[in-house]
Amino acid sequence: AQSVTQLGSHVSVSEGALVLLRCNYSSSVPPYLFWYVQYPNQGLQLLLKYTTGATLVKGINGFEAEFKKSETSFHLTKPSAHMSDAAEYFCAVTFTRGALIFGKGTTLSVSS
Amino acid sequence: DAGVTQSPTHLIKTRGQQVTLRCSPKSGHDTVSWYQQALGQGPQFIFQYYEEEERQRGNFPDRFSGHQYPNYSSELNVNALLLGDSALYLCASSAVRDRQFFGPGTRLTVL
Repeated sequence: AQSVTQLGSHVSVSEGALVLLRCNYSSSVPPYLFWYVQYPNQGLQLLLKYTTGATLVKGINGFEAEFKKSETSFHLTKPSAHMSDAAEYFCAVTFTRGALIFGKGTTLSVSS
Repeated sequence: DAGVTQSPTHLIKTRGQQVTLRCSPKSGHDTVSWYQQALGQGPQFIFQYYEEEERQRGNFPDRFSGHQYPNYSSELNVNALLLGDSALYLCASSAVRDRQFFGPGTRLTVL
């Protein structure tokens, strides 16, 4: 069965530091890949997605992610963290444009 | 343009009761998916509705059922509630083969 693994349930960075959130998926077929952000007591907001084409994907709020087929990875990065980036981040995949399979999430904390 | 809306926002039920959650999709969307998000976990797919039919289903018992109306709005019904059903229930809507937009969720607490 397909699955998503997010390494690190909690990541802490200082304001202005690089943000790196890791995501690996298990599948023999390249899926469609997504990163979502969830703020407290809110729903999910799409940061970026990879379907086909360019493997480096740029999203909202300065985030980007690179699809690496050989590593089955889709890590999320941001060059300079801001306090407002503190939230829960979820990596998700779908193979049919139907059900999204989510990872368990990574809580990002940003300190001043 | 209103996004995906869900009602109610919060709900408290006791074990054994039944609950109905409602979702109105984003304008122009005809597909509705439901997810359960337990505390500290990622969302888990329950099922998806398209053209008033259940098109895809996740690994949830038959106590979880749904419905989609001709205006594309949807309901999630859970019978014989268990303590473990306490979670945030998220609705997502999409146009066919497009990205899913999520609503704010309904927080269900089962006592």
